[in-house]
Amino acid sequence: EVQVVESGGDLVRPGRSLRLSCRGSGFTFGDAGLSWVRQSPGKGLEWVGSISSKVYGETKEYAASVEGRFFLSRDDSQGIAYLQMSSLKTEDSAVYYCTREVILSRYLGSGNYYNANWLDPWGQGTLVTVSA
Amino acid sequence: IQMTQSPSSLSASVGDRISITCRASQGIGTDLNWYQQKPGRAPTVLIYGAFTLQSGVPSRFTGGGSGTDFTLTISNLQPEDFATYYCQQSHSFPRTFGQGTKVEIK
Repeated sequence: EVQVVESGGDLVRPGRSLRLSCRGSGFTFGDAGLSWVRQSPGKGLEWVGSISSKVYGETKEYAASVEGRFFLSRDDSQGIAYLQMSSLKTEDSAVYYCTREVILSRYLGSGNYYNANWLDPWGQGTLVTVSA
Repeated sequence: IQMTQSPSSLSASVGDRISITCRASQGIGTDLNWYQQKPGRAPTVLIYGAFTLQSGVPSRFTGGGSGTDFTLTISNLQPEDFATYYCQQSHSFPRTFGQGTKVEIK
C-alpha cells in the first residue's frame, strides 16, 4: 500500500522552531516529489512547499507566507522528508499534511502530450499549534 | 495563479446532479485537479489533469474544462458524497487551491 505518514506536530511558543517528518512506504521514495499542505481549523487548504526528486534536481519551492522561515529536505536512504519550521507565528497553527506528487506524461501522437501532476496519497496530518 | 471556486456551499438531495466550477486567473491548460475532503479526514484526489478519473473513484464524478474554466460534476449524488471539494492548479509554483465548496444535505 502506498502511504505517507507525518509526525512531529506539537504545541510551541511563537518564535520557536519545530521539525515535521514524513515517512513514505509502498513506493520508490527517491523517485517521488513531496509536498506539504496545511489547513488551519475550519479553513481551506494552503500549499506550503514542495521538494522534487533527485532526478529533478531536488528543487525546493515555498509559499510566500513561509519563504525564509521553512526549509524542506529529504533523506532518500531513510525514506523520510522533513519540514523544518522556524520563527513560528500563531498563523502557522494548522494541520500539516505530507503528500506525494504524482507526475504523468503521456504521448498522444503528432507531437502532443497529456501531462498531469497531482497529490496522492495524503498522510493523516500532524497538528502544529503555535501559542504563547 | 488565483483559483476561484463557486459556489462556496450548496445544498442538494441524494440523487441530484450538481456542478462546481473553478476559475483560474490565467490559463493553466489542463493542469487542474479536484480533491474531496470529509470532516476530520485528509483530502483524496478525485480527478487529475482536468478530466481523468482517479482509479477507484466512481464514474458519477466527471471533470471538464481547460484554460481558465473547469467543472466538477457529480451525477446521482450519494450520501457519501457530502463533503468539501477543492480544485488545485499544478501548472506553476506556487501551487494554489480554490477556497473549497461544501456540499451539504438538503
